[in-house]
Amino acid sequence: DVKVTQSSRYLVKRTGEKVFLECVQDMDHENMFWYRQDPGLGLRLIYFSYDVKMKEKGDIPEGYSVSREKKERFSLILESASTNQTSMYLCASSSPGAPNTEAFFGQGTRLTVV
Amino acid sequence: EDKVVQSPLSLVVHEGDTVTLNCSYEVTNFRSLLWYKQEKKAPTFLFMLTSSGIEKKSGRLSSILDKKELFSILNITATQTGDSAVYLCAGLDTGNQFYFGTGTSLTVIP
Repeated sequence: DVKVTQSSRYLVKRTGEKVFLECVQDMDHENMFWYRQDPGLGLRLIYFSYDVKMKEKGDIPEGYSVSREKKERFSLILESASTNQTSMYLCASSSPGAPNTEAFFGQGTRLTVV
Repeated sequence: EDKVVQSPLSLVVHEGDTVTLNCSYEVTNFRSLLWYKQEKKAPTFLFMLTSSGIEKKSGRLSSILDKKELFSILNITATQTGDSAVYLCAGLDTGNQFYFGTGTSLTVIP
C-alpha cells in the first residue's frame, strides 16, 4: 500500500513562530504536493516538487517555503506563522509515469495559529 | 485559467436514494479526471477517467466522462449513511498538475 505520512495530525502554534510540516512517502514517487484546504475554497496548491531540490510555486505560495532534500520527504515551512494560515494542510504524492497516476494523500495536519 | 467546478455544493438525501454529482472542467492539456471521497481525513481515490463514454464502476458507485462537453458525473445508487462525505473532483493535466474542485458535501440521512 502506498503510504504518505504527515508528521502531525494537529498542531497549535503562536503567531510569528516558524512552523515545519513534514511529509514522507514510501513509494518512490517523483511528484509531491502541499495543499491547504479551507471550507468553500477546496484544495489550493501551495507548492509542488517534481524532483529532489526542485520546487514550483502553486496558487498561494505567499508566506510559505518548501524543502525537498530527499526524494521521499517534502517539508512545508511557514516562515512566520499568522492566524490566516490556520487551516488543514494536505500533502500528496504521485508518479507521473506509472499506470496509476492518481495523487495519494497523507492524513492531513490541522494547524491552528493563535 | 484552469478550473474545475462541482455542483451541487451540498446535498442531503435519505438512505436508499440515488444521487448524481457533477463536475465540469476547463483544463488545458487535459489528461484525466479523478474522483475522491473525503471523510474528515485524507481524500481517498475512487476513479480515474481518461476516455469518453466508458463507465467505471465500483459497487454502488459509477462514473463517466464526456470529453466533448468537458464534464463528468459520479452516481451513487442506494445510498447509505457511510456514503456521507465530501466528494472531490480533480482534473489532471499532461504536466502532472491536479486541479481540484471545491467538492460536493453529501449527507445521507437514515
